[in-house]
Amino acid sequence: DIQMAQSPSSLSASVGDRVTITCRASRTINNYLNWYQQKPGQAPRLLIYGVYSLQSGVPSRFSGSASGTDFTLTITTLQAEDVATYYCQQSYSIPQTFGGGTKVEIK
Amino acid sequence: QVQLQESGPGLVKPSQTLSLTCFVSGGSISSATRYWVWLRQPAGKGLEWIGRIYTSGDTNYNPSLESRVTVSLDTSKNQFSLKLNSVTAADTAVYYCARGFPYSGSYRDALDIWGQGTAVIVSS
Repeated sequence: DIQMAQSPSSLSASVGDRVTITCRASRTINNYLNWYQQKPGQAPRLLIYGVYSLQSGVPSRFSGSASGTDFTLTITTLQAEDVATYYCQQSYSIPQTFGGGTKVEIK
Repeated sequence: QVQLQESGPGLVKPSQTLSLTCFVSGGSISSATRYWVWLRQPAGKGLEWIGRIYTSGDTNYNPSLESRVTVSLDTSKNQFSLKLNSVTAADTAVYYCARGFPYSGSYRDALDIWGQGTAVIVSS
């Protein structure tokens, strides 16, 4: 299985801050990397697919990037409604696997 | 718009079979190139991909569960199902169904629509 090492596991930031979450794949996944947001008690929501593509309806403050097997989700200006746990997912090989999650809180 | 809704028993006895159904509303389950996917999430933990079925009926499973799992499609009822045999307490989780859409001209997908999830407890 491809392991997805996600960091940090949690972070606390102020409204308006720039937030960065990273995910490292244990081997190449050819940019088949997706990001999800999960709020407490809710199902995950697709934010970004294929590293860069913003899912319809997702605010433009969310963006993704890649460098080799390292992937980054950036929230340019953190809003209160962004409090959630964020997961990366590789869909390159079966079984598809997720990172351990990053819990984002407001300071 | 397409919506997914899981249903099934919330309590299953150890060694028995967990059976869940995901009803698809707002669109045909067989009308487009889509995967229909099952995942689960133990309380306070991360997400685990269980398996998927393509509109053609082809399936892929997580090797860690493959000997116990079956995902099937019922186009007449516009739903798909999960069966997990020989359950133990380790199978206690919230189970989600989701829709996968392939992108970049490949069979690799992202999960754009999710059900609300259904909690299943394995206990005698």
